[in-house]
Amino acid sequence: AQSVTQLGSHVSVSEGALVLLRCNYSSSVPPYLFWYVQYPNQGLQLLLKYTSAATLVKGINGFEAEFKKSETSFHLTKPSAHMSDAAEYFCAVSDREYGNKLVFGAGTILRVKS
Amino acid sequence: DAGITQSPRHKVTETGTPVTLRCHQTENHRYMYWYRQDPGHGLRLIHYSYGVKDTDKGEVSDGYSVSRSKTEDFLLTLESATSSQTSVYFCAMKPGQDTYEQYFGPGTRLTVT
Repeated sequence: AQSVTQLGSHVSVSEGALVLLRCNYSSSVPPYLFWYVQYPNQGLQLLLKYTSAATLVKGINGFEAEFKKSETSFHLTKPSAHMSDAAEYFCAVSDREYGNKLVFGAGTILRVKS
Repeated sequence: DAGITQSPRHKVTETGTPVTLRCHQTENHRYMYWYRQDPGHGLRLIHYSYGVKDTDKGEVSDGYSVSRSKTEDFLLTLESATSSQTSVYFCAMKPGQDTYEQYFGPGTRLTVT
């Protein structure tokens, strides 16, 4: 079964600094990978997705992620953090079972300091 | 996503009472899902549907049932609510079998006292 590990439940960066949120996955088949963002009291919004095309994926709000098969990683980055980026971020992999359910990591809360 | 809504958004209920949560979508998507979100666990799948009257269990389905009588509506019922079912419940949808990203509703915060 697929699984996702997000390293660091909390990450704090200064405004303007690089954002790096780490995600490692376990999958027995070529994975479909996603990053979602959740703002307080809201649902999950899709940031970006990897579906076996380009390994560097660009998403909304200046975020991007790189799929590295050799490292089984799909880390999320943004060159310059903005205060509005403060939120919780979830990495997910699509599981072939249960109607292609999404398997989520535990989430990383990003704090942006002014 | 504006095409998917949930009701109610907040509910407080007592242990032992039945509760029904509603998910409504306007995108004519075939697949719909119910997840629960708990701190430190991310989201976990309760039930899903792959068409009208076609539903199946997810990984944490005990104590829950679902129904889908119309494409646009997917109902989650807690047959006899327990305190362990206090959670935030999210509905999600995707167009078909060969798509993989899901689009989420705003969530329902349920408290069982």
